[in-house]
Amino acid sequence: RKEVEQDPGPFNVPEGATVAFNCTYSNSASQSFFWYRQDCRKEPKLLMSVYSSGNEDGRFTAQLNRASQYISLLIRDSKLSDSATYLCVVPCNFGNEKLTFGTGTRLTIIP
Amino acid sequence: DVKVTQSSRYLVKRTGEKVFLECVQDMDHENMFWYRQDPGLGLRLIYFSYDVKMKEKGDIPEGYSVSREKKERFSLILESASTNQTSMYLCASSSRGAWYGYTFGSGTRLTVV
Repeated sequence: RKEVEQDPGPFNVPEGATVAFNCTYSNSASQSFFWYRQDCRKEPKLLMSVYSSGNEDGRFTAQLNRASQYISLLIRDSKLSDSATYLCVVPCNFGNEKLTFGTGTRLTIIP
Repeated sequence: DVKVTQSSRYLVKRTGEKVFLECVQDMDHENMFWYRQDPGLGLRLIYFSYDVKMKEKGDIPEGYSVSREKKERFSLILESASTNQTSMYLCASSSRGAWYGYTFGSGTRLTVV
C-alpha cells in the first residue's frame, strides 16, 4: 500500500453542492493529519489539521477513521473560490518529522 | 505574519550552470525542507534538515546538495543544472514534530535551457 493515496479527480461540482474526498494512508501509527489547499501555480497552504476523530471549520469538515486508515474532507455549500487542488498529508512511515503529501485531488466548482 | 521566503520567483539558467536557491524562515523552526513539484508527480522531497549543519536525503537527492549554516536559512544547490531539473521548487519549514504542519514558501519556478 502506498503511504498516502488520493483520487486525483478531477471533480467538477456545481456551485452550492456538497463534495467529499477520501484519502487512505498506510502508517497505522500516524497521529496528525492535514489537508492542504493548492491554487494553480501557488504554494500549498494549510486548510485543516486532524488530530482526533475529526475537525470542523465552517463549511469544511475533516474526518479521521483510524480503523480503516482513511481521512476525508467534506465541503458543504461549495463556492467558486473552492476550486483548487486538495492535498492529503500524513506523517511518513519513519517518524512524525517528515510529512508525506498525496498527489492531490483537483476540484472545479462550476457556476 | 509568519513567513518562508524564497529568493527568486522565476529563474532561467543554462545547462551546466551551478544554481543556488535560497530559503529563509522567520518562525524559528527547527525543520526545513526542499521539494520539487512536477505535473502528475506531486511533491517530491529532495533534502531536509532537522537542525543547523544537519541534512538528510529525501526521495530524489541526485544532482542536488544543500547547506544549512544558520537556523533560518536552507539553501538548495544544483551542482550542474540539467534540463530535467526544470521544475517548481518549494521550500518549507516546521517546528519539531511537525504537529502544525509545514509552512511553504511561494516557490521558485526554475527553467534550465
